[in-house]
Amino acid sequence: QVQLQESGPGQVKPSETLSLTCAVSGYSIASAYYWGWVRQPPGKGLEWIGSIYHTGSTYYNPSLKSRVTISLETSKNQFSLQLTSVTAADTAVYYCARGTTGALAQNWFGPWGQGTLVTVSS
Amino acid sequence: QSVLTQPPSVSGAPGQRVTVSCTGSSSNIGAGFDVQWYQQLPGTAPKLLIYRNSNRPSGVPDRFSGSRSGTSASLAITGLQAEDEADYYCQSFDSSLSGSVVFGGGTKLTVL
Repeated sequence: QVQLQESGPGQVKPSETLSLTCAVSGYSIASAYYWGWVRQPPGKGLEWIGSIYHTGSTYYNPSLKSRVTISLETSKNQFSLQLTSVTAADTAVYYCARGTTGALAQNWFGPWGQGTLVTVSS
Repeated sequence: QSVLTQPPSVSGAPGQRVTVSCTGSSSNIGAGFDVQWYQQLPGTAPKLLIYRNSNRPSGVPDRFSGSRSGTSASLAITGLQAEDEADYYCQSFDSSLSGSVVFGGGTKLTVL
């Protein structure tokens, strides 16, 4: 049974870099699947941040692309998210999730991590 | 403003049938990209409910069903139960710009 768990600072200062890690158990992230990040501002809807294929190919939301980096750490069976130059608008619960195989256009997400709240504040 | 449009809220009494709509355009649902649905219970992570328009993952009751037609998709819930009270999100892919996974704005289901 695949399980995902996000970790990282709960608070980041404006203009700094948000860094989160998603530890995966029960499956090797290097074997297959897309691995993605989705965020949810308080009281609002879901927003796809980006996904990384098991080969290392990355795909980002065009609205965030200039600030986002997603990478695999296969030795630790985890993948990470970096979001630079954060503002209050980046305050959200950040979820990691497993995608599917094949084309990004045919992706869906499951299972999901429990999510971690990141607040951007000085 | 979400690329996929959902009604902010729907409601129904126990035992009734409700539907949640998800309206897109020619660059997403209308282009033939599949639609997924997620259920988010209060304070929890989203859970996959329907994939590829009408398929249920194992463990999802057959009270939940999905369909897609033209530029829209729908989630139907029959035999409404109190435990179904949650937020529901549709998700697809949009081929505009560089291509992106997109979500609807979400619909709050209230069981009366």
